Amino acid sequence: AQTVTQSQPEMSVQEAETVTLSCTYDTSESDYYLFWYKQPPSRQMILVIRQEAYKQQNATENRFSVNFQKAAKSFSLKISDSQLGDAAMYFCAYRSRGGAQKLVFGQGTRLTINP
Amino acid sequence: DGGITQSPKYLFRKEGQNVTLSCEQNLNHDAMYWYRQDPGQGLRLIYYSQIVNDFQKGDIAEGYSVSREKKESFPLTVTSAQKNPTAFYLCASSISWTGDNEQFFGPGTRLTVL
Repeated sequence: AQTVTQSQPEMSVQEAETVTLSCTYDTSESDYYLFWYKQPPSRQMILVIRQEAYKQQNATENRFSVNFQKAAKSFSLKISDSQLGDAAMYFCAYRSRGGAQKLVFGQGTRLTINP
Repeated sequence: DGGITQSPKYLFRKEGQNVTLSCEQNLNHDAMYWYRQDPGQGLRLIYYSQIVNDFQKGDIAEGYSVSREKKESFPLTVTSAQKNPTAFYLCASSISWTGDNEQFFGPGTRLTVL
């Protein structure tokens, strides 16, 4: 079974600075997807960014980018120019490429933005 | 507006009672999912449905039941057999159960057992 681990329960960053959230995962599969979800205080889950394992290029969405290290099974999220609206819980998630769309989530990292 | 609705937002239940959480989507998605979220933990999959009249157990199905009689609806019943039902419950859907499809989430229901 796949597992996802987020070793940082809480992180904080100054507004306009850059922060990196860590995620590692364990799988025996070679093809899969990885995701970062944001859960603000409203508790609505919002997809931030996704990465296909077969793509070597790291995904980027505006201020959000990932560092995907397949051999190390590492998938970190970098948030540049942090904004107050980025404050939320962030979850890393894994999904197999084949079969049903079962997401496996990490424990989450609570990100605080200091003005 | 297309999306996923969950009701109610807050639900209180006495011990020993069954309770049903509603999830409706108007996205015309085939697949639907139920997740449970506890404090300090990520989401865990309870049940999922690939298509109408079909559903499969997830990782923590004990004490829960579901039905999928209509494409747009996937209600979750928390039975008295669920030992620790107090949690936040999230429903999600995707276009299909396989392939490169994003899961969209509802706003969630907070269940508290008194």
